[in-house]
Amino acid sequence: SQTIHQWPATLVQPVGSPLSLECTVEGTSNPNLYWYRQAAGRGLQLLFYSVGIGQISSEVPQNLSASRPQDRQFILSSKKLLLSDSGFYLCAWNYRPGGELFFGEGSRLTVL
Amino acid sequence: AQTVTQSQPEMSVQEAETVTLSCTYDTSESDYYLFWYKQPPSRQMILVIRQEAYKQQNATENRFSVNFQKAAKSFSLKISDSQLGDAAMYFCAYRSIYGGAQKLVFGQGTRLTINP
Repeated sequence: SQTIHQWPATLVQPVGSPLSLECTVEGTSNPNLYWYRQAAGRGLQLLFYSVGIGQISSEVPQNLSASRPQDRQFILSSKKLLLSDSGFYLCAWNYRPGGELFFGEGSRLTVL
Repeated sequence: AQTVTQSQPEMSVQEAETVTLSCTYDTSESDYYLFWYKQPPSRQMILVIRQEAYKQQNATENRFSVNFQKAAKSFSLKISDSQLGDAAMYFCAYRSIYGGAQKLVFGQGTRLTINP
């Protein structure tokens, strides 16, 4: 069966520090991969998605970047965090057309 | 671009009763998918139910059912015989069938409280 994992689960970082959140999917190949952000009390905002290795699409201009160095690995990064980057970050994948999104456990980022 | 609106930030219901969560969406496409996701306090998103727009029959999953009104662009979720474990944030989501990534657009969510 397919599983998705993301880490770290919780992260507290100072303003201006770098960020790296990692997500991996197991049990499938060539998945579509997504990074969503959920601000407190709000819905999910799509940040990046990827349909293949090295293929990254950005939905909103921001302080973050994403990379897909391997088929089942998706990384969210920042060189210098801002206070506004705080939130709950969710990685997700889907595969077949019509298939629902499967979400990771989420990573809570607090920027101080 | 498609948008999804959930007009009820919070809802509450007595245990064992029925509650309906509202969702409307805006699209110019004729075929698409709609979903309801549940996010319990553990924070992991779980699919509750999905509906293909080309299907006229409303989807049902045990105590969960939808009222899909395509012309009105409405997609409400009905939870029957509410249980304490149903307490969560509920998100309505839209997905186009077009495009390579099939990304989901989410509403703002409705926080559902179950009163014992």
